[in-house]
Amino acid sequence: VQLVESGGVLVKPGGSLRLSCAASGFTFSDYYMSWIRQAPGKGLEWVSYISAGGDNIYYADSVEGRFTISRDNAKNTLYLRMNSLRAEDTAVYYCATPGGSHWGQGTLVAVSS
Amino acid sequence: DFVMTQSPLSLPVTLGQPASISCRSNQSLVYTDGNTYLNWIQQRPGQSPRRLISKVSNRDSGVPDRFSGSGSGTDFTLKISRVEAEDVGVYYCMQGTHWPLSFGGGTKVEIK
Repeated sequence: VQLVESGGVLVKPGGSLRLSCAASGFTFSDYYMSWIRQAPGKGLEWVSYISAGGDNIYYADSVEGRFTISRDNAKNTLYLRMNSLRAEDTAVYYCATPGGSHWGQGTLVAVSS
Repeated sequence: DFVMTQSPLSLPVTLGQPASISCRSNQSLVYTDGNTYLNWIQQRPGQSPRRLISKVSNRDSGVPDRFSGSGSGTDFTLKISRVEAEDVGVYYCMQGTHWPLSFGGGTKVEIK
């Protein structure tokens, strides 16, 4: 199993970004996936979840209405569209398989003027 | 929302000695299917998180048998029978029974 996140950059407050997570080594389309983030020096915070078929989606209250999770099962890729970014969204973003069984290496999103 | 409370916050341990971390939830973590979705996650310094234990007590592949999980309902424990240098890091409990998923605040294990 391999999960490789990409797309993290430095962005200004109010800006937008799309993260990607390329999955391999398992049948991606069979599993729900999650985005989990970790602010610098802080603990883990679950951000969003999407079911295997993409029809069930949940968000943490802190990102509801600003972030959109999606997936392309044909490309074995998970996405996180992030709009209206705030300083408090600064974190390493990880994609993870069900129950946290596998994690990517993370991608850093920094929101600062 | 569910609240997961871990203790202690910091755990200095002598090499070769045991260590124990507690995790409590404010509601039962028993799901309707009878399973309890309480996992333990290890994060070594500078590394990505790694799952050690799933569903209270099932060690993941490659996890040393000095790690064990126990508990039920709302009270859970991770034990390290003999701490080794490679065990330094932060340990999180994670519940997957109720939405939103949530993590404990973490316990930092360090060597005395």
